[in-house]
Amino acid sequence: QTVVTQEPSLTVSPGGTVTLTCASSTGAVTSGYYPNWFQQKPGQAPRPLIYRTTVKHSWTPARFSGSLLGGKAALTLSGVQPQDEADYYCLLYFGGAWVFGGGTKLTVL
Amino acid sequence: QLQLQESGPGLVEPSETLSLTCTVSGGSISGDDFYWGWIRQPPGKGLEWIGTIYSSGNTFYKPSLKSRVSISLDPSKNQFSLKLSSVTAADTAVYYCARHSLSDMDVWGRGTTVTVS
Repeated sequence: QTVVTQEPSLTVSPGGTVTLTCASSTGAVTSGYYPNWFQQKPGQAPRPLIYRTTVKHSWTPARFSGSLLGGKAALTLSGVQPQDEADYYCLLYFGGAWVFGGGTKLTVL
Repeated sequence: QLQLQESGPGLVEPSETLSLTCTVSGGSISGDDFYWGWIRQPPGKGLEWIGTIYSSGNTFYKPSLKSRVSISLDPSKNQFSLKLSSVTAADTAVYYCARHSLSDMDVWGRGTTVTVS
């Protein structure tokens, strides 16, 4: 069974920069896994942020960016704001199946 | 603007079949080159992809759920549906429907809570 792993929790100060990562148990994550990133706040549906590794949706704030980093997919938040406190999930495509990461709880403190 | 809305019973008895429907508005489920998926989230836990149906009718299921899951399209009603059989308390979750491509899961419903008890 394929497992996608994210940091369980991260803490960042307002105005700071933080990088969340997304790793696959099958090996290095490449663009062919079409990494997606979602933000979820309590009681809300997930909100898509990034797709195809780096592409932002029209509603995604400029401070969010996606990349590949050291064999993982990565989501970087630059100039973090208090409203960025949320759970973040990555999603990878494995040829006929999609697998979510376990999620990262981001605390802005 | 495309919108998705989940509907179905909020309470299902153990060993029974969970049935949910996703109604799509603002676009056609059969005319475009998209996938239509179901995702769930148990209380306090992460997201889990359950399965997906392509606009042509081809289906894709999470391997560990494959024996219990069925997803179908109803183009006449612009809906797609999820059936999950032999449910247990572990199937209690918020269930979301979503539109996606291979590379982008861009439109989600608000979710519906299903309790198995």
